[in-house]
Amino acid sequence: NAGVTQTPKFQVLKTGQSMTLQCAQDMNHEYMSWYRQDPGMGLRLIHYSVGAGITDQGEVPNGYNVSRSTTEDFPLRLLSAAPSQTSVYFCASSYSIGGRGTDTQYFGPGTRLTVL
Amino acid sequence: GESVGLHLPTLSVQEGDNSIINCAYSNSASDYFIWYKQESGKGPQFIIDIRSNMDKRQGQRVTVLLNKTVKHLSLQIAATQPGDSAVYFCAENIGPGGSQGNLIFGKGTKLSVKP
Repeated sequence: NAGVTQTPKFQVLKTGQSMTLQCAQDMNHEYMSWYRQDPGMGLRLIHYSVGAGITDQGEVPNGYNVSRSTTEDFPLRLLSAAPSQTSVYFCASSYSIGGRGTDTQYFGPGTRLTVL
Repeated sequence: GESVGLHLPTLSVQEGDNSIINCAYSNSASDYFIWYKQESGKGPQFIIDIRSNMDKRQGQRVTVLLNKTVKHLSLQIAATQPGDSAVYFCAENIGPGGSQGNLIFGKGTKLSVKP
């Protein structure tokens, strides 16, 4: 299994540009989520999905959209990038919500995004 | 412990010594806790978890202690090795009754192992 994969690894955008961060998992996990990681802030939940066709907002959803058309993929869209969205973005998946019990969350390698 | 501002707290230990990383969690309703390890340039990696009905759980070279009275979690690493150098995060899960059942992460502690 490849686990959780993310593309691209690095991206530089100008303010106002749009882009999609890709995330895919091949473990048949129902639950997928997106986090952003900023220095001194830990990981903060952006959006999550408990299954195909179902998404919900996390702690910091503003400026981001998601969709879940398949179990495997969970793309994160920035419609109009802002410098405040400069961060490292991690996608994660697990069998159950929040990795409860023995179902841990598996994280992708991250996408480092800079918005100028 | 938890970080303040932009700088992570750092724990520096000698190779072979035991390490203790502390975490204060925020919500008394949290019922599940996880420790993650994050190496530079990589995503977080699961280390060990514990439910609120336990106060201690042991893994391979790692032990997690939970003190619900003071809302404190600690990670003990025995015989610390250079490969243990990383940032360690605690995470709490408030459960299905709130916070959408997802994890809330602490800000992390950087462990530096001196050879």
